[in-house]
Amino acid sequence: DQQVKQNSPSLSVQEGRISILNCDYTNSMFDYFLWYKKYPAEGPTFLISISSIKDKNEDGRFTVFLNKSAKHLSLHIVPSQPGDSAVYFCAASDYGGATNKLIFGTGTLLAVQP
Amino acid sequence: GAGVSQSPRYKVAKRGQDVALRCDPISGHVSLFWYQQALGQGPEFLTYFQNEAQLDKSGLPSDRFFAERPEGSVSTLKIQRTQQEDSAVYLCASSVSIGDIQYFGAGTRLSVL
Repeated sequence: DQQVKQNSPSLSVQEGRISILNCDYTNSMFDYFLWYKKYPAEGPTFLISISSIKDKNEDGRFTVFLNKSAKHLSLHIVPSQPGDSAVYFCAASDYGGATNKLIFGTGTLLAVQP
Repeated sequence: GAGVSQSPRYKVAKRGQDVALRCDPISGHVSLFWYQQALGQGPEFLTYFQNEAQLDKSGLPSDRFFAERPEGSVSTLKIQRTQQEDSAVYLCASSVSIGDIQYFGAGTRLSVL
């Protein structure tokens, strides 16, 4: 039973436009959410996070929105750049738990076309 | 070093062989995690250390998998009698302490033939 779901395996956008990546979760105990970016042959790189006490967090071109009632979060990238092309993983954690292990989605491959 | 270092980067093993995968976390990081990433999937939690103590090993898929971090720094993930289904990328992550951002290494790609 997958607790974190990314239903879009891939997304293609034009350079300069907005990229919106979506993520759904099922476990109401999750209280901290993160987005990681992964290039081929590299490990995941932390991008942005959000606590469940917030509904929005912004860092430069990247904004994460959290809708707790819908158990849904999204990552907005504006404007998209070719260097943003990578696999994006959504991850969730129960930070009140003992280990803070991350539960990952299956990833969305973003391709930004020049 | 500046980041999490894992070695080897690639490992090919014959079925039934034992393998050992090494992780050098960021200096001073208390927490260390191992994850397994199968092809086309997201990373899945294997085990967690706080210093030298293994506090959670609930994700280890079988008793063929064993992890240690004897001095609270370098960690080794050992897989005994490897099987084809063990083929995956094994990722190590470390964080300053529990609750902090986890930083990942590049992983070890294990192929069991």
